[in-house]
Amino acid sequence: DTGVSQNPRHKITKRGQNVTFRCDPISEHNRLYWYRQTLGQGPEFLTYFQNEAQLEKSRLLSDRFSAERPKGSFSTLEIQRTEQGDSAMYLCASSLPDRSYEQYFGPGTRLTVT
Amino acid sequence: AQSVAQPEDQVNVAEGNPLTVKCTYSVSGNPYLFWYVQYPNRGLQFLLKYITGDNLVKGSYGFEAEFNKSQTSFHLKKPSALVSDSALYFCAVRDDTGGFKTIFGAGTRLFVKA
Repeated sequence: DTGVSQNPRHKITKRGQNVTFRCDPISEHNRLYWYRQTLGQGPEFLTYFQNEAQLEKSRLLSDRFSAERPKGSFSTLEIQRTEQGDSAMYLCASSLPDRSYEQYFGPGTRLTVT
Repeated sequence: AQSVAQPEDQVNVAEGNPLTVKCTYSVSGNPYLFWYVQYPNRGLQFLLKYITGDNLVKGSYGFEAEFNKSQTSFHLKKPSALVSDSALYFCAVRDDTGGFKTIFGAGTRLFVKA
């Protein structure tokens, strides 16, 4: 069990640029979640996958955000035309199908939009 | 709509004393309740859960939590605090209607003084 990994760990980008983050879940976990965490707040749910199917999306996920999990393994989160308000920590978590209440979180990708 | 409130931004206790970190929630169905801990520069770690059954649930590192349906609370407790318990604690809730969207509170920072 190597844990959930996220890359990159830090990303600095200029406003208007596109960014893509990657999450590699624990290998036997078929459920994968994306969250956004800003300073002083708890994680905010963005979206959730079961295998390759995206089953839930938060209203926080505007049309500039898109997430994929094409083969049911790793996932990517892309933000187009970044805005300063997108600056946050983006967290990925995964879980087993029969233990979905116990999510294993990755270290996060910290995005800074200048 | 689901919501979680952690009324204390910070809790200070002396080592060896009991600690309580408070959490109240609101869901439309029956709640699934969780506590997670975040140590500096590390990802969130699952501590414990309430799904059904006994109102007092035990988790990792000697922590326990008490579910109180009438007060819609799920307070985290530990009989004897350790300096190493100092961290950021998040309460989270999900309802039992079949979705997997988990709502996190804003977090409570626990300081345990030697």
